[in-house]
Amino acid sequence: QQQVKQSPQSLIVQKGGISIINCAYENTAFDYFPWYQQFPGKGPALLIAIRPDVSEKKEGRFTISFNKSAKQFSLHIMDSQPGDSATYFCAGGSYQLTFGKGTKLSVIP
Amino acid sequence: DSGVTQTPKHLITATGQRVTLRCSPRSGDLSVYWYQQSLDQGLQFLIQYYNGEERAKGNILERFSAQQFPDLHSELNLSSLELGDSALYFCASSVGPQGALEAFFGQGTRLTVV
Repeated sequence: QQQVKQSPQSLIVQKGGISIINCAYENTAFDYFPWYQQFPGKGPALLIAIRPDVSEKKEGRFTISFNKSAKQFSLHIMDSQPGDSATYFCAGGSYQLTFGKGTKLSVIP
Repeated sequence: DSGVTQTPKHLITATGQRVTLRCSPRSGDLSVYWYQQSLDQGLQFLIQYYNGEERAKGNILERFSAQQFPDLHSELNLSSLELGDSALYFCASSVGPQGALEAFFGQGTRLTVV
């Protein structure tokens, strides 16, 4: 049973555009929702995280929007750059993390 | 650099063999998590240790086992290896056993079973 569903599987965005990745979770006990960024050959790196008591968190060009009633959250990357090209994973958890299957983002010049 | 060290980076072994993957957590972190990453399954949680004790178990096969030593480094033992065990194995660490889920990942060990 997949507890965190992530979409889309892949995404191509023009440089300067907005990248949007969506996730939905099932387990209402989850109280921590991070996003990880992974470059080829590297381990996932924590990008930004949110707890369900807030609806939005922004760090630089990265924003998480959280909808507790819909059990959905999303990552917005503003002014996307070629250097943002990577695989992004959403996750949810309370004791340990359950990951989505990842979104491969390609930002083209 | 996350501060989490995994060795070896690459491992090639034959079916039926046994291997040991090693992880040193970030300084001060007491929790160690092991994940398996394959193309079709994404990141799958295997097991968590906190300060030497097993804390949580995920989709870990009976052929796999892990432990965390007094110096807090951890080892993941994979035995009777099958072709399907080929994957990236990641270790992550965090400060506490729960709540503080800010986990930092190592670079991973790429296991190839031939």
